[in-house]
Amino acid sequence: ETGVTQTPRHLVMGMTNKKSLKCEQHLGHNAMYWYKQSAKKPLELMFVYNFKEQTENNSVPSRFSPECPNSSHLFLHLHTLQPEDSALYLCASSQGARTKETQYFGPGTRLLVL
Amino acid sequence: GENVEQHPSTLSVQEGDSAVIKCTYSDSASNYFPWYKQELGKGPQLIIDIRSNVGEKKDQRIAVTLNKTAKHFSLHITETQPEDSAVYFCAASMNSGYALNFGKGTSLLVTP
Repeated sequence: ETGVTQTPRHLVMGMTNKKSLKCEQHLGHNAMYWYKQSAKKPLELMFVYNFKEQTENNSVPSRFSPECPNSSHLFLHLHTLQPEDSALYLCASSQGARTKETQYFGPGTRLLVL
Repeated sequence: GENVEQHPSTLSVQEGDSAVIKCTYSDSASNYFPWYKQELGKGPQLIIDIRSNVGEKKDQRIAVTLNKTAKHFSLHITETQPEDSAVYFCAASMNSGYALNFGKGTSLLVTP
């Protein structure tokens, strides 16, 4: 185990639903990340939080809304998603939010949008 | 922005043989290059990384080489075992911001 947990592991939702993904890290890190992993594509960085402050938003549609209440928890709120949003959503954490910091990934949430 | 190309996309080797995965990057200012292994149903796990002041790094059966002039780096796995079967991702740091740019991944299959 990497010390990063994600729930739920699998999620099926309709386009009109609202759901949330949760990530928790037990490593004492200060930075947390959301990535989207689609088949045959590189991992896409979505959001970065450093000391609870959002430092990066990679042009992510507003139907994805992150929340970071403290350095250990990260949420991704989902609403009115599209079928093309179906993917594996990975959370990661690192000691700091600099590119030389090792990122530790959780197991991901497999999302299917119908 | 940074562009990371990874080859091959799939690789099949026999147990005991070596496997080599290659990546190229476009931003000459990139200075951190990690490699991740992702097994089925799990998130990517760091297996080795290299920084731009080093040309080669080795950890048991795994080694990474970096050629900054040519802007490419490679992962070498020797004496492969079936448990090495997984998807391997290379990544390169960006000059600015907080992100890593990942390659598309190489699916490695080690057959007994």
